Amino acid sequence: SQQGEEDPQALSIQEGENATMNCSYKTSINNLQWYRQNSGRGLVHLILIRSNEREKHSGRLRVTLDTSKKSSSLLITASRAADTASYFCATDRGSRLTFGEGTQLTVNP
Amino acid sequence: NAGVMQNPRHLVRRRGQEARLRCSPMKGHSHVYWYRQLPEEGLKFMVYLQKENIIDESGMPKERFSAEFPKEGPSILRIQQVVRGDSAAYFCASSPDSPNYGYTFGSGTRLTVV
Repeated sequence: SQQGEEDPQALSIQEGENATMNCSYKTSINNLQWYRQNSGRGLVHLILIRSNEREKHSGRLRVTLDTSKKSSSLLITASRAADTASYFCATDRGSRLTFGEGTQLTVNP
Repeated sequence: NAGVMQNPRHLVRRRGQEARLRCSPMKGHSHVYWYRQLPEEGLKFMVYLQKENIIDESGMPKERFSAEFPKEGPSILRIQQVVRGDSAAYFCASSPDSPNYGYTFGSGTRLTVV
């Protein structure tokens, strides 16, 4: 398995519910980033958490990082139909990002 | 302040032709990265460039692919003698010297080889 694996591969929820996506990685990192990609579009940077941070918030987003378990989670609270997209975690070791395969989130109205 | 600009958005090439993809980084960004995304997959790193220098090309296929970031003008990803397997979305990202706030991605070029 490769660096930056998301779990689950696909998630379908109702509007207003919370969505949690997990990411595991294998090597040491400088930071971990989460991106969103709408179908057929480019990536939008959501949040960056450094290796010495454990939790970070940005609006309805909450990211945790556990370096001992080499894992991270992205929580989207009070989801909206507009949150429907693919979500990728990416680990940064200084000169490149290594992406996982992504979680496809569908929020049903 | 325009973001990362990629062109063309869509490119169709016949097998054996050359594809040239362009990327203009954000103003003030001196680092450019190219990634490739196959359908239903995540992005795979290809190459990292600074002005006039290739810093890391470990993700580039050994043949037919090349990249440059000249002193003036956009970064160019060039694919010679394209094959059907080159069909993918190619994304460019840029960052300042210290990418402490994430990378900025362009909207991508979708290459279709027919």
